[in-house]
Amino acid sequence: AQTVTQSQPEMSVQEAETVTLSCTYDTSESDYYLFWYKQPPSRQMILVIRQEAYKQQNATENRFSVNFQKAAKSFSLKISDSQLGDAAMYFCAYRGSQGGSEKLVFGKGTKLTVNP
Amino acid sequence: DAGVIQSPRHEVTEMGQEVTLRCKPISGHNSLFWYRQTMMRGLELLIYFNNNVPIDDSGMPEDRFSAKMPNASFSTLKIQPSEPRDSAVYFCASSVLGGHYYEQYFGPGTRLTVT
Repeated sequence: AQTVTQSQPEMSVQEAETVTLSCTYDTSESDYYLFWYKQPPSRQMILVIRQEAYKQQNATENRFSVNFQKAAKSFSLKISDSQLGDAAMYFCAYRGSQGGSEKLVFGKGTKLTVNP
Repeated sequence: DAGVIQSPRHEVTEMGQEVTLRCKPISGHNSLFWYRQTMMRGLELLIYFNNNVPIDDSGMPEDRFSAKMPNASFSTLKIQPSEPRDSAVYFCASSVLGGHYYEQYFGPGTRLTVT
């Protein structure tokens, strides 16, 4: 079974600085999808960024980018120019590509604090 | 689009009572997922449907939990009888089966408290 590990229960960053959240996963599949979700105190799950395993290019969405290392099974999230509104729980998630494997497998999450 | 709609947003009930959580997926989405979030276990899948058919219910804790999807625009998750350990936030999510990015869109969740 696939597993996702986020080794940093909590992280903090100064406003306007850069922070990187770590995620590793275990799978025997060669094709899959990876996601980062943000959960603010409102508890709404918000998709931040996605990565297809077959793409070598790292995904980027404005201030958010990933470092996808397929061989190492690593998928870290970099937040640049951190803002107070970035404070939230961040979850890394894995999804297989085969039919019948549409579910998301989540890591335990990293709580990000942004200090003014 | 209104997004995924869940009701109620909060539910407080006594042990032994029946609880029904409801979900309306995004129009046009044909995959629907029920997740549960607790401090101890994090986010875990309970069950999901493709085209109204249950595909994977291996995450359903026990026979006290049941889920239905009678049509493409409505699903229920029922707990009978409820127990204090069922207290959690329950999320419903939907996506397009075979969609290019396979991303799931989450509802606001239902916070369930069983006393």
